[in-house]
Amino acid sequence: LAKTTQPISMDSYEGQEVNITCSHNNIATNDYITWYQQFPSQGPRFIIQGYKTKVTNEVASLFIPADRKSSTLSLPRVSLSDTAVYYCLVGDPGMGPGGSYIPTFGRGTSLIVHP
Amino acid sequence: DAGVIQSPRHEVTEMGQEVTLRCKPISGHNSLFWYRQTMMRGLELLIYFNNNVPIDDSGMPEDRFSAKMPNASFSTLKIQPSEPRDSAVYFCASSSPGVAYEQYFGPGTRLTVT
Repeated sequence: LAKTTQPISMDSYEGQEVNITCSHNNIATNDYITWYQQFPSQGPRFIIQGYKTKVTNEVASLFIPADRKSSTLSLPRVSLSDTAVYYCLVGDPGMGPGGSYIPTFGRGTSLIVHP
Repeated sequence: DAGVIQSPRHEVTEMGQEVTLRCKPISGHNSLFWYRQTMMRGLELLIYFNNNVPIDDSGMPEDRFSAKMPNASFSTLKIQPSEPRDSAVYFCASSSPGVAYEQYFGPGTRLTVT
């Protein structure tokens, strides 16, 4: 399983762009990168997934360089409501349960957005 | 859809008592996951089921923990006997066939063992 490393915490201010980088040096060919967001007192919520280059949705963008050894979750113009823990997961979703995809959340990155 | 439903939302019990946590996954989802979250260890996967069959239970901490999924719409996580170190928030999540990476989490059960 690819091990991931991400900062324990980050601080930002309203209106700023926030970039959270995750390192996954031993990512495998079939692995995808998935990010979740967890608000206090709630379960995690899927926000974005990608394999290479750039993926964008209404919540965030995900940048993946050519070597795929890292990825960056980008949150444009954050607000106070973006204060949450962000998790980076790496695995082969094609295998799924019954294969060897075991979602590993770890401790994530705690993002605090200040007024 | 109501989303993943967990009960109870809060449970306070004394050490040595049996605790049963319940989960109803989203209709049509065929994978179900049980997680435990603590400040010390973060979010840990305990066990997951595919089509009601336990696939990986390597995260279950010890024999005091057991999980069942008698049908596609119901699962239980049981702790017997409970200990103070089991105090945590327990989440259940489910996912659609072939989309294991996109899990939908329930609101969690906050367990306190005194």
